[in-house]
Amino acid sequence: KQEVTQIPAALSVPEGENLVLNCSFTDSAIYNLQWFRQDPGKGLTSLLLIQSSQREQTSGRLNASLDKSSGRSTLYIAASQPGDSATYLCAARDDKIIFGKGTRLHILP
Amino acid sequence: KAGVTQTPRYLIKTRGQQVTLSCSPISGHRSVSWYQQTPGQGLQFLFEYFSETQRNKGNFPGRFSGRQFSNSRSEMNVSTLELGDSALYLCASSLVPDHPEAFFGQGTRLTVV
Repeated sequence: KQEVTQIPAALSVPEGENLVLNCSFTDSAIYNLQWFRQDPGKGLTSLLLIQSSQREQTSGRLNASLDKSSGRSTLYIAASQPGDSATYLCAARDDKIIFGKGTRLHILP
Repeated sequence: KAGVTQTPRYLIKTRGQQVTLSCSPISGHRSVSWYQQTPGQGLQFLFEYFSETQRNKGNFPGRFSGRQFSNSRSEMNVSTLELGDSALYLCASSLVPDHPEAFFGQGTRLTVV
């Protein structure tokens, strides 16, 4: 049974710093891994999707990597801004999407 | 192009009642999945529908049910509501099952009192 874990559960960093969010999954037989952002009380916004055959994806200040063999993915955020404050969720997809519990990120102005 | 639309956005119900939530997927998307999000359990998969058939189901009691119509719109129903059913219910649409990308609605916030 697929389990997805995100560490840390919460993170506070000063504005301008680069940071890395971690995601691990137990079953490497995934179709893809997706990173989402969720603002309080809102739905999910897709940030990056990495296919199982890919190693990384980039969008603006965001870069996500995938290492299936070790069951790990990271989301790198460069030059963080207060507007990046949100909960970040990773989700591994096999026959269904399994989510981690998220990392609550707070960027300090 | 309109996104995934969930109605209502907020709902308050009493224990023992039943509730129906609605999800309209992105035009052309035929697969709809439902998730429950609570602070303690995070996001948990409820079920997935495609072509009016339930394709996959998570580990929820039979009080949770759903259906999909010929226009791909989906409804989920929870009967005999319990306090623990209070949650944000999210639906996601994709072109077909197993399509790489899923798009989420804003959710329905259900409060059971």
